[in-house]
Amino acid sequence: DAGVIQSPRHEVTEMGQEVTLRCKPISGHDYLFWYRQTMMRGLELLIYFNNNVPIDDSGMPEDRFSAKMPNASFSTLKIQPSEPRDSAVYFCASSISGGVTEAFFGQGTRLTVV
Amino acid sequence: AQKITQTQPGMFVQEKEAVTLDCTYDTSDQSYGLFWYKQPSSGEMIFLIYQGSYDEQNATEGRYSLNFQKARKSANLVISASQLGDSAMYFCAMREGMDSSYKLIFGSGTRLLVRP
Repeated sequence: DAGVIQSPRHEVTEMGQEVTLRCKPISGHDYLFWYRQTMMRGLELLIYFNNNVPIDDSGMPEDRFSAKMPNASFSTLKIQPSEPRDSAVYFCASSISGGVTEAFFGQGTRLTVV
Repeated sequence: AQKITQTQPGMFVQEKEAVTLDCTYDTSDQSYGLFWYKQPSSGEMIFLIYQGSYDEQNATEGRYSLNFQKARKSANLVISASQLGDSAMYFCAMREGMDSSYKLIFGSGTRLLVRP
């Protein structure tokens, strides 16, 4: 398996623009997590899905952030409009239920908003 | 309130020596899981070791072991025979609600530097 795949790896955008981050989880995994990592706040859980349904979005910072999972193999995290304080590394991770297993992380997307 | 606390922002260890990275957690769930991840300078998150709340024995994975003290709510990572490649950020994480929610949250991390 190729693991969790995120795209793009790097994104530089201007303030006010819409940004869409993409994630393909590991096939067969039914949990998908979006995290944001910054120096100041560490690794924050933004939202997670189970079987494509959002379970907990309490970590989503503002209405400017939205996430979708239209099917089991694809999820997006959208920021509209983007702001400089959104600059961070965004990780997607997936895991499987029905047992105790770790979450597998993608390589992350480094977002810079200028 | 902090769910996962890592009190050591940074640590040094001499190559070939053992080092313990601290982690305490807070939960009212009976069923939970504790994880350690490594993040090298390249940025990826690498799973190291897992301990379940019902596991009676401490988890071990090669040079990694988890010192699990349930009553004290601590899950310290022990790395034996440190290597230069162990220099990285280390994150403790907890998954609460193992029977339901599977929410996975992380501590603030400890940066480990292995000296030659």
